[in-house]
Amino acid sequence: ETGVTQSPTHLIKTRGQQVTLRCSSQSGHNTVSWYQQALGQGPQFIFQYYREEENGRGNFPPRFSGLQFPNYSSELNVNALELDDSALYLCASSLARDSVAKNIQYFGAGTRLSVL
Amino acid sequence: SQKIEQNSEALNIQEGKTATLTCNYTNYSPAYLQWYRQDPGRGPVFLLLIRENEKEKRKERLKVTFDTTLKQSLFHITASQPADSATYLCALELYNQGGKLIFGQGTELSVKP
Repeated sequence: ETGVTQSPTHLIKTRGQQVTLRCSSQSGHNTVSWYQQALGQGPQFIFQYYREEENGRGNFPPRFSGLQFPNYSSELNVNALELDDSALYLCASSLARDSVAKNIQYFGAGTRLSVL
Repeated sequence: SQKIEQNSEALNIQEGKTATLTCNYTNYSPAYLQWYRQDPGRGPVFLLLIRENEKEKRKERLKVTFDTTLKQSLFHITASQPADSATYLCALELYNQGGKLIFGQGTELSVKP
């Protein structure tokens, strides 16, 4: 177990709705990254938060947004859901940016989102 | 265009043999290359990291090589066991992009007793 917890584990939404996914980082980690993993594919980087500020974004539209809280927990929000948003959403936390160990990502088990 | 590719087909091997997984990339200059293991219904778990100036890294039965000229990494599991059955993901990390990993599609390994 990595100590990164995500909720909910499964979620079913309909097209056009909005969803919020939550992540609790491993203790001592102040950087959190979110990934989208389609079936049979590797994870794709969505964005990263460091000390409550967005610190890099992948090739995802603005309807994907996030927050990081003072306790380093995080949320991923997706507006105007589309069918292609159906995927496993993974949260990963890591140590401080200036540490060599920052490279190692500790993943949660993910939230399986189905958009109908 | 930029690509990162792993063995496209699942790898089936006999217990006790060495499994070798391949990760090739084009048009990237990674600072690090990482390997993760992912079991069904779980998030990826970190296994090994190798830097661009390192040729080889070992950890117990695992070995990773990194050839920046060939733009290729090989991941070996020696004396494989059925418990090693999982999907293995390689991931690139570019310079000053800590935590922003670029993953391959993964290779599914099945070790038969």
